[in-house]
Amino acid sequence: SQTIHQWPATLVQPVGSPLSLECTVEGTSNPNLYWYRQAAGRGLQLLFYSVGIGQISSEVPQNLSASRPQDRQFILSSKKLLLSDSGFYLCAWRSPGQKNFGPGTRLTVL
Amino acid sequence: KQEVTQIPAALSVPEGENLVLNCSFTDSAIYNLQWFRQDPGKGLTSLLLIQSSQREQTSGRLNASLDKSSGRSTLYIAASQPGDSATYLCAVEGNTPLVFGKGTRLSVIA
Repeated sequence: SQTIHQWPATLVQPVGSPLSLECTVEGTSNPNLYWYRQAAGRGLQLLFYSVGIGQISSEVPQNLSASRPQDRQFILSSKKLLLSDSGFYLCAWRSPGQKNFGPGTRLTVL
Repeated sequence: KQEVTQIPAALSVPEGENLVLNCSFTDSAIYNLQWFRQDPGKGLTSLLLIQSSQREQTSGRLNASLDKSSGRSTLYIAASQPGDSATYLCAVEGNTPLVFGKGTRLSVIA
């Protein structure tokens, strides 16, 4: 069966520090992968998606970047965090017809 | 640009009641609509997926309907239980990846 992992589960970082969130998928190959952010009162927003290694599409301009170094690995990064980067970050992969979400990472920027 | 609205934003009902959650979307050119459940601080669990050619889907006590031409979907929960308490998210997929509503926060009181 397919499984999606995210880590860390929670993270508290100071403004201006770097960020690296990791997402890995098991049990499937060549998945479409997605990063979403859920901020208070704003719902879920698609940040990036990837259809293959090295292929990244950005949905909104922002302080974050994404990379896909391996088929089943998707990384969300920032060189310098802003307060507005706080939120709940969810990774997802696409099986036929539907999205499947990971457990999420709660990021607090202070 | 696709926009998804969910009404009500919050709902509190006594155990055993049947209830309906509403979702509307502005662009009817969708491939599918998906209902998710999110428990506090957790990721998303897919409940039901309705393809654009379908009118409804059922799973246990849950029934989701889709009226694509009017841009509406409903999630019907029969005989609600305290364990149903969560936030319910509606999302549509069209020419862009999933667009989410802000959710309905449901509390079922024992």
